[in-house]
Amino acid sequence: AQTVTQSQPEMSVQEAETVTLSCTYDTSENNYYLFWYKQPPSRQMILVIRQEAYKQQNATENRFSVNFQKAAKSFSLKISDSQLGDTAMYFCAFRRGSNSGYALNFGKGTSLLVTP
Amino acid sequence: GAGVSQSPSNKVTEKGKDVELRCDPISGHTALYWYRQSLGQGLEFLIYFQGNSAPDKSGLPSDRFSAERTGGSVSTLTIQRTQQEDSAVYLCASSLGTFASTDTQYFGPGTRLTVL
Repeated sequence: AQTVTQSQPEMSVQEAETVTLSCTYDTSENNYYLFWYKQPPSRQMILVIRQEAYKQQNATENRFSVNFQKAAKSFSLKISDSQLGDTAMYFCAFRRGSNSGYALNFGKGTSLLVTP
Repeated sequence: GAGVSQSPSNKVTEKGKDVELRCDPISGHTALYWYRQSLGQGLEFLIYFQGNSAPDKSGLPSDRFSAERTGGSVSTLTIQRTQQEDSAVYLCASSLGTFASTDTQYFGPGTRLTVL
């Protein structure tokens, strides 16, 4: 079974600063996908960024970027120029690339607070 | 519709009663997923539908839980003889069902179930 670990239950960052959220995972598969989802107080899970394991280049989406270290099974999220609206729970998730399952395995989440 | 919708938004029930939770996926999405989010367990996968069939029911915690999907669209998650440990937020997601790396799961706002 795949496990996803987020070792930081809570983090805080000042507006305009940069913050990095950690995620590690355990799998024996070679083909898989990794995701970061954001869940604001409204409960709506929103995809922030995705990474295919076969791609060496780190994914970026505007202020959000990842540091994907496949050998270390690490997938951290960097948020640059943090904004108040970034305050939310952030979940790292793993999805197998095979045909036998498409469910997302989530970490426990990191609660991020952006302060003025 | 514009997004995944779920109803009711909140449900309070008494222990031992049956409840039905509804999910309306994004139009055209063939894949539909149910997850449960609770304080102690984080986000757990329950069941996944492709069309009207459920190839993966591995996450259903007991035989009190069942789900169906009709017309390749609306899905209902039924919990019989509810227990207090069933209290959680139940999230539904849908995706195109191509299972390519870009096959993003879009989440609904969830149903918060409270069992008294």
